[in-house]
Amino acid sequence: QKEVEQDPGPLSVPEGAIVSLNCTYSNSAFQYFMWYRQYSRKGPELLMYTYSSGNKEDGRFTAQVDKSSKYISLFIRDSQPSDSATYLCAMSAMSSGGSNYKLTFGKGTLLTVNP
Amino acid sequence: EAGVAQSPRYKIIEKRQSVAFWCNPISGHATLYWYQQILGQGPKLLIQFQNNGVVDDSQLPKDRFSAERLKGVDSTLKIQPAKLEDSAVYLCASSQTGARLPQPQHFGDGTRLSIL
Repeated sequence: QKEVEQDPGPLSVPEGAIVSLNCTYSNSAFQYFMWYRQYSRKGPELLMYTYSSGNKEDGRFTAQVDKSSKYISLFIRDSQPSDSATYLCAMSAMSSGGSNYKLTFGKGTLLTVNP
Repeated sequence: EAGVAQSPRYKIIEKRQSVAFWCNPISGHATLYWYQQILGQGPKLLIQFQNNGVVDDSQLPKDRFSAERLKGVDSTLKIQPAKLEDSAVYLCASSQTGARLPQPQHFGDGTRLSIL
């Protein structure tokens, strides 16, 4: 079982739809949860960063973490064609040596928002 | 604020040749990371530096990959000799150093490597 599981899609929605992206994980040591957006031929850019269970909202984006179920979600309201990209979940835990935090990424979900 | 700079953007080589990538992090960021992103996968950490010291290189294939950050600023990643399976995008990221919380990582646009 991989540490982080993410459905690669592709996911295609009409403009204005609510999008739900999800990841599950198996490592209980993960404490910090992030969502990155990656446009084609670009590097990932950080969208959301959370470290507790519950919801965090930023504009049209809401990140949700359920540590008891080992499940995280990203919701996009009023989706726009400019949201078309690959969305990567990422999770962080202290390394076994205790010297650094290590980021583990999901495979990414390819989202297309159609005008 | 200037972002993470990487060069070259694209590189095509034949297997068994060598190749090097360069990264200049965001000014003031002490921590630098190199990731490998194979098509359809998420980035995988190869090596992490803090200043000019290696913090984590557990997933670096040391028989063919090497990296250095001699002056604690820019960094180079080298592959010698390259194999077909090394075809990927090589991403560099940087962050401030945080003892209590992982710091957000800022990524460059990567070098796309194709092995023929």
